Amino acid sequence: DVKVTQSSRYLVKRTGEKVFLECVQDMDHENMFWYRQDPGLGLRLIYFSYDVKMKEKGDIPEGYSVSREKKERFSLILESASTNQTSMYLCASKIAGEQTQYFGPGTRLLVL
Amino acid sequence: LAKTTQPISMDSYEGQEVNITCSHNNIATNDYITWYQQFPSQGPRFIIQGYKTKVTNEVASLFIPADRKSSTLSLPRVSLSDTAVYYCLVGDRSGGYQKVTFGTGTKLQVIP
Repeated sequence: DVKVTQSSRYLVKRTGEKVFLECVQDMDHENMFWYRQDPGLGLRLIYFSYDVKMKEKGDIPEGYSVSREKKERFSLILESASTNQTSMYLCASKIAGEQTQYFGPGTRLLVL
Repeated sequence: LAKTTQPISMDSYEGQEVNITCSHNNIATNDYITWYQQFPSQGPRFIIQGYKTKVTNEVASLFIPADRKSSTLSLPRVSLSDTAVYYCLVGDRSGGYQKVTFGTGTKLQVIP
């Protein structure tokens, strides 16, 4: 079974803080993704990485950055958290050339 | 990327068959159709994928007409545990990396 884990299920941060969300997958997948999910807006892609040290902007990259130093780990960074970044953050991974994505359980982030 | 349109919500009684239709008028020749299921407070999980005609697995069936401009996810004899959001995605399976758009999905509520 593919396992995608995220560092925290719930996180509370203050405005202006730097926030790191970690995602780890154990199936040697090349591609990894970060989404945010908000009521009424569905899942929106923030960034994705097709291989180590490679990244591409998704639909809503503003205010976020990412890091992929190792194949199994993909980090999402909020450089200076703002209240409008309060959301559920979902990480996913997949095999290159396949369409099926495997999701982690999500991190619910609250920025005060 | 092919855009998809699906109903925002549906209600069904336990034991009934549920059909959720997704429109994808500008689907490309290389695109596959994939459906995901998401329970509250969890990440989406893959249900079924198809290219044309009919695909069936232990969870659902997927019907795709010859023109491929729509597809229908069929859940036989739903139970309360099938209450979830269902997403239809269309994308190219051949690429090493690609963006996909999840959209807002269809919220299925199964009623006792």
